[in-house]
Amino acid sequence: ETGVTQSPTHLIKTRGQQVTLRCSSQSGHNTVSWYQQALGQGPQFIFQYYREEENGRGNFPPRFSGLQFPNYSSELNVNALELDDSALYLCASSLAGNEKLFFGSGTQLSVL
Amino acid sequence: GENVEQHPSTLSVQEGDSAVIKCTYSDSASNYFPWYKQELGKGPQLIIDIRSNVGEKKDQRIAVTLNKTAKHFSLHITETQPEDSAVYFCAAHSSASKIIFGSGTRLSIRP
Repeated sequence: ETGVTQSPTHLIKTRGQQVTLRCSSQSGHNTVSWYQQALGQGPQFIFQYYREEENGRGNFPPRFSGLQFPNYSSELNVNALELDDSALYLCASSLAGNEKLFFGSGTQLSVL
Repeated sequence: GENVEQHPSTLSVQEGDSAVIKCTYSDSASNYFPWYKQELGKGPQLIIDIRSNVGEKKDQRIAVTLNKTAKHFSLHITETQPEDSAVYFCAAHSSASKIIFGSGTRLSIRP
């Protein structure tokens, strides 16, 4: 059984650029959630995907968007990067209807 | 808006002593309360959880208590060991897609 994997592990971008982060869910899991974790803070829910559709969204602007693919992997896209977007981005997979989340190690994004 | 408050933000205990971390939630619709442990360079790992119809749950040295009336829940770690050093997060779920995390507690175990 493979765990949740995220790529890349680290990324440096400049303000105004666009970024795509990737996540492979744990084997057998069909739901993927994305979180933003600022330094010294708890994770903040961005959105969740199930059956390739957004299934809930936190308080994030539309420039944060996502995709889920038929194999349940997922992408997080952020447009028009701002300095405050610098954070650890975590992906978590789960089974639909089960609240237990299994997190990847995250992508550390730095916006300069 | 809805939030989860977590205290203390840092906690240092002697190896072998107990550690207690407390959380308070505001959304009365919350019904699932997990606790996560996050080590440096890793994502959060679920260590124990409790549902709103249960008052207490224990797993070896770790226990969680829930007071629905007061909207409080707590993590108790007994006989602490060096490997317990990490950042711990509580969370409250009111739906599959509405999850709020606390701000974390950095636990240090002194040898």
